[in-house]
Amino acid sequence: RKEVEQDPGPFNVPEGATVAFNCTYSNSASQSFFWYRQDCRKEPKLLMSVYSSGNEDGRFTAQLNRASQYISLLIRDSKLSDSATYLCVFTGGGNKLTFGTGTQLKVEL
Amino acid sequence: GAGVSQTPSNKVTEKGKYVELRCDPISGHTALYWYRQSLGQGPEFLIYFQGTGAADDSGLPNDRFFAVRPEGSVSTLKIQRTERGDSAVYLCASSPLNTGELFFGEGSRLTVL
Repeated sequence: RKEVEQDPGPFNVPEGATVAFNCTYSNSASQSFFWYRQDCRKEPKLLMSVYSSGNEDGRFTAQLNRASQYISLLIRDSKLSDSATYLCVFTGGGNKLTFGTGTQLKVEL
Repeated sequence: GAGVSQTPSNKVTEKGKYVELRCDPISGHTALYWYRQSLGQGPEFLIYFQGTGAADDSGLPNDRFFAVRPEGSVSTLKIQRTERGDSAVYLCASSPLNTGELFFGEGSRLTVL
């Protein structure tokens, strides 16, 4: 099983839609989880951390399910500017951060 | 600016040549990471420094790859006898200690002909 698995997409959604991505991880010892955003030909940037209790930042909600070993990202009221690749990231031990392959989102008019 | 700076932004070289990629992290960030990213893939971990020492170099693909950070600030990634498969964007990131937030540079795009 791969360390981390993400559906590469692309997810093509209309503006205003709600979209959700999942990311599964294989290392049960993983302690910290994050979602990063990467625009085309740009560097990745932290979108949000993922806490055990779930967390929300405006239109974005992140959740962690340790029992099933996945994290999720929900985007409500999608904007054109949300078009990007969303990378799930986790620490597998120490401070090494492992990135998924990313899920591409395209928000259309 | 105050962000992570990487040079060169683009490097084209011939197979078998030696390449150095430089990273200047954000001032005060003790952790420094090197990743490489190929088209359509996520960043692949190479090496992580805590201060001057390599805390985890498990991602270096083979002994042609080496990285240093002699004074705990600037880091250099060195690739010997480059191969076409080394072509990728090499990303450097720095982080305040143990926050999990990485601040990436814009990357060095390496093309090996």
